[in-house]
Amino acid sequence: DVKVTQSSRYLVKRTGEKVFLECVQDMDHENMFWYRQDPGLGLRLIYFSYDVKMKEKGDIPEGYSVSREKKERFSLILESASTNQTSMYLCASSPGTSLYEQYFGPGTRLTVT
Amino acid sequence: AQSVAQPEDQVNVAEGNPLTVKCTYSVSGNPYLFWYVQYPNRGLQFLLKYITGDNLVKGSYGFEAEFNKSQTSFHLKKPSALVSDSALYFCAVRAPGQNFVFGPGTRLSVLP
Repeated sequence: DVKVTQSSRYLVKRTGEKVFLECVQDMDHENMFWYRQDPGLGLRLIYFSYDVKMKEKGDIPEGYSVSREKKERFSLILESASTNQTSMYLCASSPGTSLYEQYFGPGTRLTVT
Repeated sequence: AQSVAQPEDQVNVAEGNPLTVKCTYSVSGNPYLFWYVQYPNRGLQFLLKYITGDNLVKGSYGFEAEFNKSQTSFHLKKPSALVSDSALYFCAVRAPGQNFVFGPGTRLSVLP
């Protein structure tokens, strides 16, 4: 079974803090994604990566950055957390073609106070 | 541009009755269509997908979906609902070479 793990299930941070969310997949997938999930808005793509050290902006990249130094690991960074970044963050991975579904981690519920 | 609509925020159905969760999409070219389910405080789990071929696709937990090209729809169905099917359901579309686009989700409540 594909396994995608995220470093924290719940996280509480203060406004202005730098926040790191880590995601690791164990199936040698080329593609990795970060989404945020908000009620009524579904999933919105923040950043994605098709290869090591490659990154592409998604639909809502402002206030976020990412890092992919190894194939299995994709990190999301909130440079200076703000209250409007309180959300559920979901990491996903998939093989390198469009035919395949994405595999999701359990999510990190981030609260910024 | 790709888009997905799930016209119902909430669907209520009695246990044992058939259920339908609706999805319509807009995409250029041939779409790849997916359904995911999310249980409370969990990530999304893949249920089924349509890539090509038979318009009726069968997936996990007894779910199926029918691709209708003329109506640009991909409704999720199950003949007999279980209380344990209560969850949040997401439809997603992907054009070849493009990223996934997810619908806003439909909350399914199966009443005992």
